[in-house]
Amino acid sequence: GENVEQHPSTLSVQEGDSAVIKCTYSDSASNYFPWYKQELGKRPQLIIDIRSNVGEKKDQRIAVTLNKTAKHFSLHITETQPEDSAVYFCAASSTGNQFYFGTGTSLTVIP
Amino acid sequence: EPEVTQTPSHQVTQMGQEVILRCVPISNHLYFYWYRQILGQKVEFLVSFYNNEISEKSEIFDDQFSVERPDGSNFTLKIRSTKLEDSAMYFCASSAGTVNTGELFFGEGSRLTVL
Repeated sequence: GENVEQHPSTLSVQEGDSAVIKCTYSDSASNYFPWYKQELGKRPQLIIDIRSNVGEKKDQRIAVTLNKTAKHFSLHITETQPEDSAVYFCAASSTGNQFYFGTGTSLTVIP
Repeated sequence: EPEVTQTPSHQVTQMGQEVILRCVPISNHLYFYWYRQILGQKVEFLVSFYNNEISEKSEIFDDQFSVERPDGSNFTLKIRSTKLEDSAMYFCASSAGTVNTGELFFGEGSRLTVL
């Protein structure tokens, strides 16, 4: 099955700096890569996703890049704000029925 | 905005007891899922359900687990004989279709504590 690895497990940045979280996957059939944000005690919520026919996607301060050859994808958050503090999970799916999640990155934005 | 709803939000049970967690997926969604998150760990896939049957399940979803859609709106996860290691947050999720047609929407979760 698919194996998704995520780094780093924790990340602290100063407000206004950029944050980058990286994930690798093992199954070359995976073609959908969502990122979820989970605030403490709340449900994971989709913040951005990318499909295998696209190399990069941007939504305001958030961007995701995908390198299918190397089997890795990354989340970039620019101009970080305290409300960006949360746990971020990457995921990969090939079938759309089963999503494999990374181990999560706890991001702390220091005001 | 439509939401996935789950009940109960928290359940405490004794080891060996049966537990049923309930979910109401978003009404026009076709795919339903259960995920588990042990405290501080990643979200783990348990099972997906489509067209009134299981479409995929993980190795975690063994014989003590079952899912059911007893009516047109509810989707339930039953754990027959709970073990201590079943203590976790259980998330229900739904999607409109496959990866090409929709994102995964999660419920707020049901926290299960097995004593």
